[in-house]
Amino acid sequence: EADIYQTPRYLVIGTGKKITLECSQTMGHDKMYWYQQDPGMELHLIHYSYGVNSTEKGDLSSESTVSRIRTEHFPLTLESARPSHTSQYLCASSELERFTDTQYFGPGTRLTVL
Amino acid sequence: GQQLNQSPQSMFIQEGEDVSMNCTSSSIFNTWLWYKQDPGEGPVLLIALYKAGELTSNGRLTAQFGITRKDSFLNISASIPSDVGIYFCAGSSSNTGKLIFGQGTTLQVKP
Repeated sequence: EADIYQTPRYLVIGTGKKITLECSQTMGHDKMYWYQQDPGMELHLIHYSYGVNSTEKGDLSSESTVSRIRTEHFPLTLESARPSHTSQYLCASSELERFTDTQYFGPGTRLTVL
Repeated sequence: GQQLNQSPQSMFIQEGEDVSMNCTSSSIFNTWLWYKQDPGEGPVLLIALYKAGELTSNGRLTAQFGITRKDSFLNISASIPSDVGIYFCAGSSSNTGKLIFGQGTTLQVKP
C-alpha cells in the first residue's frame, strides 16, 4: 500500500484567500503529480515533477503553482482562490515498475471556494 | 491529444452478477492501469498491465492488456455491495510517467 498523504482533506475558504495544499510521500519516489477532478468525472493532470527542483505544467491549464524543494514534499499553492477553483485535488507519486511508472494516489483535498 | 474511451459510463447490477468494462484508445499504450475510487477518496490501484496480451487477476478482478495495445478490459466476478464505486482505466504511452485517464465507469450493486 502506498504511503502518500494530503492535508487538509477538506477546505472551505472565501474568494481571494491564498491557500496551500500539502502532499507528502514516504516512499522516496522521484516523480510526483497533481490532478484536478470534478465529482464523478475524469482526472486532469495540472502539474508534475520529475524530482527536486523540477516542475512542469500538465495537460489542463491551472492558475495554481507548485514547488519541489524536497523529494517527499510537493505542495500546490493558489495565490487568490476563486469559486472556479472549487474541485477535488489529488496528489500522486510513481515508481518505476517493469520499465514503466505506476502511480499511487493520496486521499485528495476537496476545496470549496465561496 | 490522446483520449481514452471507457464504457459503459454506468452500470446498475444485482449482487452476484459478473461485470465487464473496457477502454479503447486511438493510440498505442505500453501500460494499462485500472483504479477504483470511492466517494471522497483518491483512486486505488487494482491491477497493472505492462505487456500486450497480459491477463492478470486480483481476487475476483481480472484485467487484460489487448493484443493491439489499444484496449483493455476489466471483469469483476460475483459482485458484492462493496464493489460500488467509480472504476477508471489509465494508459501510458511514454516513459514520462504521465497517464491518460478514461471517463470512469460508475458501478452500483443492488443487494
